[in-house]
Amino acid sequence: NAGVMQNPRHLVRRRGQEARLRCSPMKGHSHVYWYRQLPEEGLKFMVYLQKENIIDESGMPKERFSAEFPKEGPSILRIQQVVRGDSAAYFCASSPSQGTTGNTIYFGEGSWLTVV
Amino acid sequence: AQSVTQLGSHVSVSEGALVLLRCNYSSSVPPYLFWYVQYPNQGLQLLLKYTSAATLVKGINGFEAEFKKSETSFHLTKPSAHMSDAAEYFCAVSDKAAGNKLTFGGGTRVLVKP
Repeated sequence: NAGVMQNPRHLVRRRGQEARLRCSPMKGHSHVYWYRQLPEEGLKFMVYLQKENIIDESGMPKERFSAEFPKEGPSILRIQQVVRGDSAAYFCASSPSQGTTGNTIYFGEGSWLTVV
Repeated sequence: AQSVTQLGSHVSVSEGALVLLRCNYSSSVPPYLFWYVQYPNQGLQLLLKYTSAATLVKGINGFEAEFKKSETSFHLTKPSAHMSDAAEYFCAVSDKAAGNKLTFGGGTRVLVKP
């Protein structure tokens, strides 16, 4: 059973470019979470999505950041006009249905974004 | 609102010695608590979780943690450190209101000395 798959693992972008990070959840999981880990810091929640629906985006910066989880295909975290402060590791996680709280969420190996 | 505090951003232990990583949480409702481990340049792996069953939780790699409601703590221990335990450890909390959304502590980096 494949785990949470993220790509690319490493991405370098110049300031002002766009970054797109992809996440395929574990088989059978319908919930996706994105977290950001800045250097020397813990993980901070960004957004929680189900298929075609954003459930909680309370951790998303108000500008330049967006996320989607379409009916078909992976979840995508999109960062427009990247700045150096966006350099971080972005982790995707997935869980089964929301029906039972306290479910374990499973993390992917992360996408490391470097803005130069 | 939930929060997690991990005391000590860095811990150094000798191989074979006790590992103790401290975690205190704040939650207005009964919490679910988790410990994750992160090896360099990798994702997070679940060590163990507490979801209101037994207060002493055993996890993988010989780790265990005890939920103490009176102290709002969920400290992680391992009786005998191994070199392979060198990693960063994160405590996290969620609750029924938050669903499966996790709030993480700042992490504790463990160094194991031979």
